[in-house]
Amino acid sequence: SQTIHQWPATLVQPVGSPLSLECTVEGTSNPNLYWYRQAAGRGLQLLFYSVGIGQISSEVPQNLSASRPQDRQFILSSKKLLLSDSGFYLCAWTLGRTSGTSYEQYFGPGTRLTVT
Amino acid sequence: QKEVEQDPGPLSVPEGAIVSLNCTYSNSAFQYFMWYRQYSRKGPELLMYTYSSGNKEDGRFTAQVDKSSKYISLFIRDSQPSDSATYLCAMNGAGGTSYGKLTFGQGTILTVHP
Repeated sequence: SQTIHQWPATLVQPVGSPLSLECTVEGTSNPNLYWYRQAAGRGLQLLFYSVGIGQISSEVPQNLSASRPQDRQFILSSKKLLLSDSGFYLCAWTLGRTSGTSYEQYFGPGTRLTVT
Repeated sequence: QKEVEQDPGPLSVPEGAIVSLNCTYSNSAFQYFMWYRQYSRKGPELLMYTYSSGNKEDGRFTAQVDKSSKYISLFIRDSQPSDSATYLCAMNGAGGTSYGKLTFGQGTILTVHP
């Protein structure tokens, strides 16, 4: 069975400090991977997605970047955090694309980031 | 207008009630429809998914899709306090260019009180 891990679970960082959040998936190959941010309003905002190693697409211009150095590893980074970067960050995966495959996404446990 | 509209609630019901959660959408290309449940400070958990129009039942949960009206529903029968959570609808279209990206509703907060 497949599992998805995120760490750290909770993070408190000062404004201007760097950020690195990690997500790994086990039990599947060549997944599509996604980073979301969920603010207090509960909606999920898609930040980045990746369909393969080194392939990153950005959905929203911002202070963050993403990388996929390995097939099942997805990293969210920032060089200098802003107060507005606070939120709940979620990683998700879905099966890699083949014709007719459904699109269920499975989420990790999330990282709660507070920028002070 | 947002692509997916979901009543944020909050919705408060007594234990045993039938709960109806709804979303409307504007993009006629959407074909895959999902419902997620999210407990406080946890990641969303996939509850149900359906393809195109029709009903799907799983225990106390029934998902319904009406593509002609661009309207989807999740019904919870015999609701329990453990059903108290935020429920998110999500959907996307088929095709290689979508890359599996989902469009989410804002979520409905549900509380089931004993």
